[in-house]
Amino acid sequence: EPEVTQTPSHQVTQMGQEVILRCVPISNHLYFYWYRQILGQKVEFLVSFYNNEISEKSEIFDDQFSVERPDGSNFTLKIRSTKLEDSAMYFCASSAGDSPYNEQFFGPGTRLTVL
Amino acid sequence: GQSLEQPSEVTAVEGAIVQINCTYQTSGFYGLSWYQQHDGGAPTFLSYNALDGLEETGRFSSFLSRSDSYGYLLLQELQMKDSASYFCAVRDPGNTGKLIFGQGTTLQVKP
Repeated sequence: EPEVTQTPSHQVTQMGQEVILRCVPISNHLYFYWYRQILGQKVEFLVSFYNNEISEKSEIFDDQFSVERPDGSNFTLKIRSTKLEDSAMYFCASSAGDSPYNEQFFGPGTRLTVL
Repeated sequence: GQSLEQPSEVTAVEGAIVQINCTYQTSGFYGLSWYQQHDGGAPTFLSYNALDGLEETGRFSSFLSRSDSYGYLLLQELQMKDSASYFCAVRDPGNTGKLIFGQGTTLQVKP
């Protein structure tokens, strides 16, 4: 069964460093999302991406964040200068293309720890 | 904006039935979804209700009442492996399909 994959599973970085989190959505899916979950809290939307551009971003998604789909398979989230409060699980999700309201499939997540 | 409320914790014994409630406030409604999350794992889709009534999938059922802005997830014949967090979620009415999650209910199943 097709699945969303994410790498790395765990990333430890120093405050102020740049990190890139990688995702491979399910092939033939057209809607892509990043969510994050701070330990013990709910899952929060960060950004949605469709047709090679950001379709919506949350207040959390400030100038330090960016997303890219550099080729036909990868979908990346970059944090330019990490802060302590960026420590969280980051989940990538994708859904099939005929509607943004189709079921979203989540990847296993990347645990980001900022020291 | 959108907001959802669900209990923070529920405890039940193996073999029992448990109901996790969710009330929501939305400016538009595109269905209520339920996700299961084991410790540190990915949210896994369980069910989706767009219309009023009960949807059954094996041991899990989900109910929706749009007039009451209320839904619940019903888990029957509880097993130890059902111990997890359960999130209700609604779609934002914008055209991006983003999910708005509740705070989650931690279900502990005891022997």
